Amino acid sequence: DAGITQSPRHKVTETGTPVTLRCHQTENHRYMYWYRQDPGHGLRLIHYSYGVKDTDKGEVSDGYSVSRSKTEDFLLTLESATSSQTSVYFCAISDGTANTEAFFGQGTRLTVV
Amino acid sequence: LAKTTQPISMDSYEGQEVNITCSHNNIATNDYITWYQQFPSQGPRFIIQGYKTKVTNEVASLFIPADRKSSTLSLPRVSLSDTAVYYCLVVRINNNDMRFGAGTRLTVKP
Repeated sequence: DAGITQSPRHKVTETGTPVTLRCHQTENHRYMYWYRQDPGHGLRLIHYSYGVKDTDKGEVSDGYSVSRSKTEDFLLTLESATSSQTSVYFCAISDGTANTEAFFGQGTRLTVV
Repeated sequence: LAKTTQPISMDSYEGQEVNITCSHNNIATNDYITWYQQFPSQGPRFIIQGYKTKVTNEVASLFIPADRKSSTLSLPRVSLSDTAVYYCLVVRINNNDMRFGAGTRLTVKP
């Protein structure tokens, strides 16, 4: 399996608090992604990164920010968590360069109460 | 990015060949077609990618007509363990923007 780790795996937080999820890779892949998946739905892209300090918005970026200060780490921050952000969050990595294969982490289940 | 459209669900039986078709009418020259499989409580897993014509690997084949406006994922002789959601993606190769649609929920019956 590709070296990609998400932390924490589970988190319960209160409405209005900031939350940071971490994605760590050991593959030196250029691209990193954050998705959310809600019950019965496909994955929706939140933000992605194409290099250190290079990020772009996805489909559902409102209420989320990201940072990538090192190749191996991509952080997703919920600035002020809301109940609508209760979801399963997946991180993915991809080498790019005409290869569209991405590897996914195990997911983080976030509950905002 | 080209929007993709695929059936919401499909049923099949063990041992049959399953073909899942995806339409992507607005595909661009620098877009690749990629398919993923997802089991419950897991992240998606890459199956196959292609640009045009036919691509085959050890688990599936991907057929892409000359106009590239659609693609068909073919799973030979499915088993119960192939029950999953299958996603078709169009990926722009210069920025690797990867967006998933709703996917096709395949149920394989005994």
